[in-house]
Amino acid sequence: GAGVSQSPSNKVTEKGKDVELRCDPISGHTALYWYRQSLGQGLEFLIYFQGNSAPDKSGLPSDRFSAERTGGSVSTLTIQRTQQEDSAVYLCASSLARLANNEQFFGPGTRLTVL
Amino acid sequence: GDSVTQMEGPVTLSEEAFLTINCTYTATGYPSLFWYVQYPGEGLQLLLKATKADDKGSNKGFEATYRKETTSFHLEKGSVQVSDSAVYFCALSDHSYSSASKIIFGSGTRLSIRP
Repeated sequence: GAGVSQSPSNKVTEKGKDVELRCDPISGHTALYWYRQSLGQGLEFLIYFQGNSAPDKSGLPSDRFSAERTGGSVSTLTIQRTQQEDSAVYLCASSLARLANNEQFFGPGTRLTVL
Repeated sequence: GDSVTQMEGPVTLSEEAFLTINCTYTATGYPSLFWYVQYPGEGLQLLLKATKADDKGSNKGFEATYRKETTSFHLEKGSVQVSDSAVYFCALSDHSYSSASKIIFGSGTRLSIRP
């Protein structure tokens, strides 16, 4: 497909386990973003990639969160030792470049539930 | 830091009613402004945008005008339809090239349209 895809669509895990969330951006999009949508916090920025580097990680809530991007394409968001407050929908977006007025296209999200 | 404040929901209207969802922003630079929409069970989609003062964004009968003097970007539609029922997010993205063009979202306004 032509859009941003994310997997899995749903993930249920036990507290303390690690999880990996995957994002496949639109082909050719150099910028990739991770956001989190939760009931109490709304939509929050987590991290941004330009190519394979992450110039802005300011939104990562703790050192349990990390992300990488390889080949300027697929990105993985890893949450270690998950906590119940990590439960949220994790959204990935991509855009052609880092310009502020370039539209970001969002994936359907991964719903993470930590029991 | 930059922020977006939008009208609390939920908002319930009858079909063909006039819609306004208020949005104001705080930004140090010259942001681009957006309205995103999330239909039930779907991902975030860009509804409209404006990149500079006095620009009007429009799409699907919705309009919003970038008002620098009042730091506002209110969403309006003259006659709503049941299919407009969704959550609407006002957002901004900073034009600064020294930082990532992450999107800062408002808290979202849930709109329900009665037939």
